Formats: sequence, C-alpha cells, structure tokens
Amino acid sequence: KAGVTQTPRYLIKTRGQQVTLSCSPISGHRSVSWYQQTPGQGLQFLFEYFSETQRNKGNFPGRFSGRQFSNSRSEMNVSTLELGDSALYLCASSPGTVINEKLFFGSGTQLSVL
Amino acid sequence: GQQLNQSPQSMFIQEGEDVSMNCTSSSIFNTWLWYKQDPGEGPVLLIALYKAGELTSNGRLTAQFGITRKDSFLNISASIPSDVGIYFCAGFSGGSNYKLTFGKGTLLTVNP
Repeated sequence: KAGVTQTPRYLIKTRGQQVTLSCSPISGHRSVSWYQQTPGQGLQFLFEYFSETQRNKGNFPGRFSGRQFSNSRSEMNVSTLELGDSALYLCASSPGTVINEKLFFGSGTQLSVL
Repeated sequence: GQQLNQSPQSMFIQEGEDVSMNCTSSSIFNTWLWYKQDPGEGPVLLIALYKAGELTSNGRLTAQFGITRKDSFLNISASIPSDVGIYFCAGFSGGSNYKLTFGKGTLLTVNP
C-alpha cells in the first residue's frame, strides 16, 4: 500500500499570503488529521476529517481551515499568514470507521513564512 | 488542557547501550503510543499500549503503560546507529474528543 502523500514538501510564502496544503491518505483510510509541528510547541492537533465532515478541531485560530473530498483526500488552508505559522505541517490517516488512535503520518510540508 | 511531560529532552549514548525515556501526564489516558521520527520524515508508530500495566515489546523496544494510567515508559536495548531520531509519546483519551496529545519528544543520538 502506498503511504500518506503530502504535497508540496517545501513552501516559502510571505506574511499576509495564503497557502493550501494537500494530503492523500492511505487507500481505504477515511479519516485524515492535521498536525502542526514546531520546535517549541511540538506536535499540535489542528483538525480531523471523516467522510468529508470535520469531526474534531484543535485550538487554532479561524485562519486555519480544512476540507475533505469524497475520495478522502484532504486540503488544509492557512489565510493571512503570520511569521509564527512557519512549521512542519503533518497529515495523518487512519481507517477511521471508529475513532482510531493509530495514525499513519506523511512526510509533511515544511512551510516557511518570511 | 492535557499536557505530556516527556523526559529526557535529549540523550547522547554509545552504540550498544540501553536507553530509557518516559512520559508523565496530569490526566488519565486510555491509550499510550510511542512514535519515532527520522529527520525529514513524519512520525512512525512503534508501539501502542491499551491497558494499565501492559508491557509490550517490538524487537529491541519495550514499552509499558503505567498502573496509574498517567505515565508510560519506553526502553531501547542494545542501541544501534539507526535508532537515531526523535521519540514521541502520545496519549489518547478516546471518546468524542478525538486527538492525540503528544509529548515534546526525546532526541536520541547514538555514537557508533
């Protein structure tokens, strides 16, 4: 089985711009979660989608949003970028029929905001 | 909110040595997990623990779910250079509040 695929791997943006990150889960996995990883804060939960519905949400401002498509692929959007948004954004998938704690992570998108 | 305290923050050891790291929480978790992250990659699940007191092995790795359900331990025996990476503990409460709470990681360096 192919793993979780995230694109792009690297992204450089400037403050005020917006960005869209993409995630293709493992085939057959219906749950997609997003995490932000920074050296200071570690891994922070952003949100989780299942069957195109946001099932859970972390404590991030409304500038962070996401969606899931009918094929389980997911996108994450960050609007009005700030310097502090520089981070590794990780997507993880799980079978998700029942809330499943076993997450399979992609390699991440490294976002740099200048 | 829930927080996990993971220690040590970093370790520098010689090849062949054993390693221990642990995670403690102020909250109870129903599941503890241990992940490893190699440079430039996402975390990979090593071990999942589901019951208080449970001891589970995966090759040279052994992890335990603490009796109080507020802590977990990971041991690596006879370390090798490819053990280098960041090890994360994660706790899962279950229920409708679905998310993993991660520790801040232990950076392991193995000197050949």
